[in-house]
Amino acid sequence: SQQGEEDPQALSIQEGENATMNCSYKTSINNLQWYRQNSGRGLVHLILIRSNEREKHSGRLRVTLDTSKKSSSLLITASRAADTASYFCATVRMGRRALTFGSGTRLQVQP
Amino acid sequence: DADVTQTPRNRITKTGKRIMLECSQTKGHDRMYWYRQDPGLGLRLIYYSFDVKDINKGEISDGYSVSRQAQAKFSLSLESAIPNQTALYFCATSDSGLADYQETQYFGPGTRLLVL
Repeated sequence: SQQGEEDPQALSIQEGENATMNCSYKTSINNLQWYRQNSGRGLVHLILIRSNEREKHSGRLRVTLDTSKKSSSLLITASRAADTASYFCATVRMGRRALTFGSGTRLQVQP
Repeated sequence: DADVTQTPRNRITKTGKRIMLECSQTKGHDRMYWYRQDPGLGLRLIYYSFDVKDINKGEISDGYSVSRQAQAKFSLSLESAIPNQTALYFCATSDSGLADYQETQYFGPGTRLLVL
């Protein structure tokens, strides 16, 4: 089963609006990462947050992590049409050696 | 040039055929991975290799095998392809030189496989 589950599964917004995606996971983690995938292409790493961090920023991206609730959120501010993609969270579980991906949120930004 | 390359990019094959997907990387990373992605779903790990002599099964290894021919090359084989192996296959790499909490993965462009 998937370790991470994203919510919502799909999101459609207008250009300039903010987009928020959530990820929940089941077991203790070492870190949590967000990746982006343009249609049918390889994933690109966006941001990593460690288990002892609560918030991290990178450009228009803001990631939060709540280990007590086993959840994370990705906020994209001032969205652009080029942000249209699928976004996946991925976790490295404690004691494990590889990433486990969620099922993703499909974001559509309307120009 | 791309750091992680996959060949072929598209492949159509018939049930029962053996096929090989290849991955090469110029990033100098020691860790390599094979994933499959089905429509509307996330990635599922098939096999991973943390160095040339270290091969590990992922969550869906049945029906697949791998070979790590060199640090830069990691190939995935479908011994006898079946239609439910139709999917998008991705290779990825990472660098163990980073601390575990910093390690991220770099993906190839994918191979689209159709098994008839």
